[in-house]
Amino acid sequence: RKEVEQDPGPFNVPEGATVAFNCTYSNSASQSFFWYRQDCRKEPKLLMSVYSSGNEDGRFTAQLNRASQYISLLIRDSKLSDSATYLCVEANQAGTALIFGKGTTLSVSS
Amino acid sequence: EAGVAQSPRYKIIEKRQSVAFWCNPISGHATLYWYQQILGQGPKLLIQFQNNGVVDDSQLPKDRFSAERLKGVDSTLKIQPAKLEDSAVYLCASSRTGTGGDGYTFGSGTRLTVV
Repeated sequence: RKEVEQDPGPFNVPEGATVAFNCTYSNSASQSFFWYRQDCRKEPKLLMSVYSSGNEDGRFTAQLNRASQYISLLIRDSKLSDSATYLCVEANQAGTALIFGKGTTLSVSS
Repeated sequence: EAGVAQSPRYKIIEKRQSVAFWCNPISGHATLYWYQQILGQGPKLLIQFQNNGVVDDSQLPKDRFSAERLKGVDSTLKIQPAKLEDSAVYLCASSRTGTGGDGYTFGSGTRLTVV
């Protein structure tokens, strides 16, 4: 099974910047997508779900484009605490397990 | 609620030795997953249990890896014999409904180094 593809980065941005990550998926029948955040030497944690209509949570916006088969995550007004690896995640065909991308590393500097 | 417990946190073994990892999921979570995360990569699903039955073990290297979830609660993952390429973090996760991202909770992982 081909996993979702992400640009590994790293993305190095100053505080206050807006940064966007994209990832692409190959299975047009895939239904559910998520963004997980993983801090260095920690376990992944759910950041947000991704819907076709878009999903916004504070400074974070996730979007799904089914026609082009990509998922995006936009972070506005970056904070130092946003520095982490962001994992693009797709649910498997049965919707019972998660398939993780390799992750995109973000480093926010002051 | 208590999180997913894993032990040990760290393990260093020589190649060809055997090793076992233990996971205790969140109480009431029927679905349990083992993932392998190699440095610089995302977690890779090894095996998924629903209660004490295996749902998916298609990516588990069965010649050397085995896992069980007796009584549908705790789970153990074993590697025998270990290879250098098995060096990774082994993450256990549990889910109440087993429907993907609704509430996966990961444990802190076991960091395995094979020398």
